[in-house]
Amino acid sequence: DSGVTQTPKHLITATGQRVTLRCSPRSGDLSVYWYQQSLDQGLQFLIQYYNGEERAKGNILERFSAQQFPDLHSELNLSSLELGDSALYFCASSRGQGEAFFGQGTRLTVV
Amino acid sequence: AQSVSQHNHHVILSEAASLELGCNYSYGGTVNLFWYVQYPGQHLQLLLKYFSGDPLVKGIKGFEAEFIKSKFSFNLRKPSVQWSDTAEYFCAASNAGKSTFGDGTTLTVKP
Repeated sequence: DSGVTQTPKHLITATGQRVTLRCSPRSGDLSVYWYQQSLDQGLQFLIQYYNGEERAKGNILERFSAQQFPDLHSELNLSSLELGDSALYFCASSRGQGEAFFGQGTRLTVV
Repeated sequence: AQSVSQHNHHVILSEAASLELGCNYSYGGTVNLFWYVQYPGQHLQLLLKYFSGDPLVKGIKGFEAEFIKSKFSFNLRKPSVQWSDTAEYFCAASNAGKSTFGDGTTLTVKP
């Protein structure tokens, strides 16, 4: 158990819908990262938050957004979903520039 | 642009064979390097990391990696693989909070 909790574990939704994925980082970790893992794109860094502020941005679509709350949990919002958004979404947390500890992921299926 | 490339997409070995997975990175400035492993159906876990100092780093489960600055490489090695090492291996680099992962190498170890 990495100490990073993601909910839900599985999500099935229709195209055009909006979903919210939630991540609780390890206790004491200020950084939260979101990644998308799909068969054709591999593991893609989406975005990082540090203590509530956006720190770095990767290949995140405009239809996607994220935020980190004062209690340090984070949410990834995916809207106007397309079939191609089906993937495993991982959250990770870390302290400073150290290694990232990954959650079990949320498997999103868009039908 | 920052990039990480892994040379082998799929490696098949017999138990007790030696392993070397290639990783090259393209980054400006100081970079932290990581190898992660993802066992089937599980989340990513850190195998080892390099921040500075001794370029030969040892990780968990008998894995090690060597940082060769002149070659921009961070290859993963293990002298004798086991069936339980069957997994996907990701090389990653981070700088200023932004991480880039390689496409991953699937290792299959035959008993």
